[in-house]
Amino acid sequence: EAGVAQSPRYKIIEKRQSVAFWCNPISGHATLYWYQQILGQGPKLLIQFQNNGVVDDSQLPKDRFSAERLKGVDSTLKIQPAKLEDSAVYLCASSLDGVIYEQYFGPGTRLTVT
Amino acid sequence: SQELEQSPQSLIVQEGKNLTINCTSSKTLYGLYWYKQKYGEGLIFLMMLQKGGEEKSHEKITAKLDEKKQQSSLHITASQPSHAGIYLCGADIHTNTGFQKLVFGTGTRLLVSP
Repeated sequence: EAGVAQSPRYKIIEKRQSVAFWCNPISGHATLYWYQQILGQGPKLLIQFQNNGVVDDSQLPKDRFSAERLKGVDSTLKIQPAKLEDSAVYLCASSLDGVIYEQYFGPGTRLTVT
Repeated sequence: SQELEQSPQSLIVQEGKNLTINCTSSKTLYGLYWYKQKYGEGLIFLMMLQKGGEEKSHEKITAKLDEKKQQSSLHITASQPSHAGIYLCGADIHTNTGFQKLVFGTGTRLLVSP
């Protein structure tokens, strides 16, 4: 079974630029999560999708971050414009149907904003 | 909001030595999860604890949830270089959406020296 795929693995941008991350969850997984992990901290949930609907985006900075999950499969997370404090690893995870301990994590995208 | 604090923040042990990582919650824990993260990789689920006093083991790793359900410990016996990584505890948060949500601790970075 293929795992959660993410791209790119690394990205370096200047502040005020835009960036987009892509996630392909495990086939058949209805729930998709995006986490932000700042260096030295645990992951923080940004947004959770159930199929193509948003379940929780309470910690997503909506003035600059946006996410979508077209057709309930792949998802894209965008930052526009980026700030220095957005430097972090962005993790995507998926689960069959929202079961917490059955989350499978992708390798993450490491973003550096200079 | 629930907060999880882990101690120590980092740990260097000699191969073969035992070690313990603690996770303390600001509120009662209803579900506590332990994950391991290697550099450049996503999180790998280790164990789930739900009942006060519960103890689970997998290979040389044992996790316990204390009776009052506000603290968990992760114990590694006879550490090996393969145990190196970041250990994260996560708490199950029930939201008004009906979906579960994970809040993570600050993480403990473990290095095992030969």
